[in-house]
Amino acid sequence: NAGVTQTPKFRILKIGQSMTLQCAQDMNHNYMYWYRQDPGMGLKLIYYSVGAGITDKGEVPNGYNVSRSTTEDFPLRLELAAPSQTSVYFCASSTLAGSSYNEQFFGPGTRLTVL
Amino acid sequence: AQSVTQLDSQVPVFEEAPVELRCNYSSSVSVYLFWYVQYPNQGLQLLLKYLSGSTLVESINGFEAEFNKSQTSFHLRKPSVHISDTAEYFCAVRTGGSYIPTFGRGTSLIVHP
Repeated sequence: NAGVTQTPKFRILKIGQSMTLQCAQDMNHNYMYWYRQDPGMGLKLIYYSVGAGITDKGEVPNGYNVSRSTTEDFPLRLELAAPSQTSVYFCASSTLAGSSYNEQFFGPGTRLTVL
Repeated sequence: AQSVTQLDSQVPVFEEAPVELRCNYSSSVSVYLFWYVQYPNQGLQLLLKYLSGSTLVESINGFEAEFNKSQTSFHLRKPSVHISDTAEYFCAVRTGGSYIPTFGRGTSLIVHP
């Protein structure tokens, strides 16, 4: 299993440009998440999905969009990049383990700079 | 709403010394507790978890954490740290019925030779 994969690893955008951060998992997990990580601020949830076709906003959704057409893929779209979106972005997935919610598996991250 | 407090943003320690990273949460319902580790320029990976059963849980690399319900804490400990333990450590809490965890802000463990 490759686990959770993210592309690209690094990206520099100009203000106003758009891009899609790709995320895929091969563990057949129902739940997928997008976080951003800023220094000293921990992880902030952007969007999450509980299954194909179902997405919902997290704590900081403004400026982002997501889709979940398959169980495996959960891309994050930035439509009009702004310097405030400079961050490291992590995708994660998880599933149920019996009656307990299991841990999250994280991708390696995408480091995005908006200039 | 649940919250997680990691009281120390940075913990410097010398190699082979013991360390404790503190985590407190606020929740009145059943919880599932996790510690994640993030090495430089990498994603987070699970270090250990408490779902039910024994309140003391251990990782394969010598860390342990104890779930203390009365004090709503889940502190992480290691009796003797190595240089390779230098990393960011995150505590996370899920409440029963929720698939969205709440993360603490992280504690940077810096091990000096």
